Amino acid sequence: DAGVIQSPRHEVTEMGQEVTLRCKPISGHNSLFWYRQTMMRGLELLIYFNNNVPIDDSGMPEDRFSAKMPNASFSTLKIQPSEPRDSAVYFCASTRGDFRETQYFGPGTRLLVL
Amino acid sequence: TQLLEQSPQFLSIQEGENLTVYCNSSSVFSSLQWYRQEPGEGPVLLVTVVTGGEVKKLKRLTFQFGDARKDSSLHITAAQPGDTGLYLCAVIQGAQKLVFGQGTRLTINP
Repeated sequence: DAGVIQSPRHEVTEMGQEVTLRCKPISGHNSLFWYRQTMMRGLELLIYFNNNVPIDDSGMPEDRFSAKMPNASFSTLKIQPSEPRDSAVYFCASTRGDFRETQYFGPGTRLLVL
Repeated sequence: TQLLEQSPQFLSIQEGENLTVYCNSSSVFSSLQWYRQEPGEGPVLLVTVVTGGEVKKLKRLTFQFGDARKDSSLHITAAQPGDTGLYLCAVIQGAQKLVFGQGTRLTINP
């Protein structure tokens, strides 16, 4: 079975540009999570969707960040405009039920903002 | 202040040695999870402990949940290069969030 799929795997962009990260959760999973990982702050939850509805977006850093889940098989995380401090690895994860169930992580998108 | 404090932050040992890493907090939790993250990949769940004092074994890895459910340890016996990775502990915070520790970055040298 395919796991969580993320694209692109690597992204290099210049400050001020728009960045869109994509995620396809495991088929049949009802919850999707976006995380950010940095050396300084570790792995942090940005936003959590359940049945395509945002449940908790308290981790979204600021208005420059937005996330959508138009259907059960696709989600995007957008940063506009991007800043150097957004450089990090962004992970998407999904679970069969809610956040209490086993989370399956994708391979991540490594973002570098110059 | 971190909810979960993991120690040590970095550990580099020789193949065949034993090691223990820790995950501590001042809060009580209903359960605690351990993940391993290999370079270039996402974290993978190893185990969930739910009962104070509980011990779970996964081949050469032994996980223990503290009696007071505030801390946990991971012991690896006869470490192998394949054990290299970032070990993360995580707990459920509030009603809807999984919170991770900073991790222990383990390197096993052949």
